[in-house]
Amino acid sequence: ETGVTQTPRHLVMGMTNKKSLKCEQHLGHNAMYWYKQSAKKPLELMFVYSLEERVENNSVPSRFSPECPNSSHLFLHLHTLQPEDSALYLCASSQDWLSGANVLTFGAGSRLTVL
Amino acid sequence: QKEVEQDPGPLSVPEGAIVSLNCTYSNSAFQYFMWYRQYSRKGPELLMYTYSSGNKEDGRFTAQVDKSSKYISLFIRDSQPSDSATYLCAMYGNKLVFGAGTILRVKS
Repeated sequence: ETGVTQTPRHLVMGMTNKKSLKCEQHLGHNAMYWYKQSAKKPLELMFVYSLEERVENNSVPSRFSPECPNSSHLFLHLHTLQPEDSALYLCASSQDWLSGANVLTFGAGSRLTVL
Repeated sequence: QKEVEQDPGPLSVPEGAIVSLNCTYSNSAFQYFMWYRQYSRKGPELLMYTYSSGNKEDGRFTAQVDKSSKYISLFIRDSQPSDSATYLCAMYGNKLVFGAGTILRVKS
């Protein structure tokens, strides 16, 4: 496996369910990110982890809970979501956080539908 | 006012056309300018990366940055159906900000 891998690719859940999104990077990067992508809107940064420490949390509702157990893995735990949370959730990694280049490598995304 | 403005399109062109994709921005702190390409059912991938003002060319792709006008462009020459994708501009000063993306369709 190379690059950034996200699972599952598609997820349908009810508002009372609990599910998790998983991300794994094989690039030796030190920073990992969760972004939300909705139609015709800019990518919304949700969380940033640098060297396994959360360094940014952009006013994301508590029904989204990130976890970074090591520098290669990132999870997004989901519970009691709302229909407006339906979107494509993208994981990304970069060599370092807050570097000038800050070039991100993205996974293919997890398409979430909340019924 | 949004920090980065990008027309969502869709932009539909015939094969072989020259395509111009643009973004405007308001934050003077932006120093790094990027274009990402996102194919359907894929994540964005870095296409072009420019520091400060000027032009950068890579094959059929040219990125231009005009900091005085706060305007960046991506030109695609001899466009191909395989160029059909969403193109996102991104800018970095002390934070990374993305545009909404422009959907490009190249018809054969």
